[in-house]
Amino acid sequence: GQQVMQIPQYQHVQEGEDFTTYCNSSTTLSNIQWYKQRPGGHPVFLIQLVKSGEVKKQKRLTFQFGEAKKNSSLHITATQTTDVGTYFCAGPRVSEGAQKLVFGQGTRLTINP
Amino acid sequence: EAQVTQNPRYLITVTGKKLTVTCSQNMNHEYMSWYRQDPGLGLRQIYYSMNVEVTDKGDVPEGYKVSRKEKRNFPLILESPSPNQTSLYFCASSLQGVPFNYGYTFGSGTRLTVV
Repeated sequence: GQQVMQIPQYQHVQEGEDFTTYCNSSTTLSNIQWYKQRPGGHPVFLIQLVKSGEVKKQKRLTFQFGEAKKNSSLHITATQTTDVGTYFCAGPRVSEGAQKLVFGQGTRLTINP
Repeated sequence: EAQVTQNPRYLITVTGKKLTVTCSQNMNHEYMSWYRQDPGLGLRQIYYSMNVEVTDKGDVPEGYKVSRKEKRNFPLILESPSPNQTSLYFCASSLQGVPFNYGYTFGSGTRLTVV
């Protein structure tokens, strides 16, 4: 079945460095969502991308949806300690009447202040 | 305040003792879902519900049951818990399901330990 793969699994950076996580789907996605989970917390919805090649920005965060709608990326410029957490991508899986939202394994970001 | 409320936050139980984790949302969302989170495996969908009285299996439904008798409530039932169900559980809701034009709102999570 459709899988959503995310890399890297872990990333440790110095504060001020940039960070990127990548999401790849085995099938074309109608849209992709990104979530952030702080340590000890629950996932929080960040954004959704719908159009092929779409790029959206939220302050220091840049989200991109691939032209083929099978991959996506999240880039953080000049990381801050508040960016610590696990970032997940998620894509819908619709098959044989099922309506599921499938998550990638997540990228855990730690930051050295 | 718009939210998804899960209870309990923490639970330690013994193998075979039936338990229910409650989930309630106050946003009139149609779609509700349960996920379990395990290290290295991300969030895996257990069951979901597209509306009242409509439920379906996710990717890891074995050992779990759900019901959706009211729009706001979506309890997760473990009839005979086993140690491999030790995990962090999240309830989530969304205004609508496919094509998921709306993000999930997650509950705070329930950390379950089965001994």
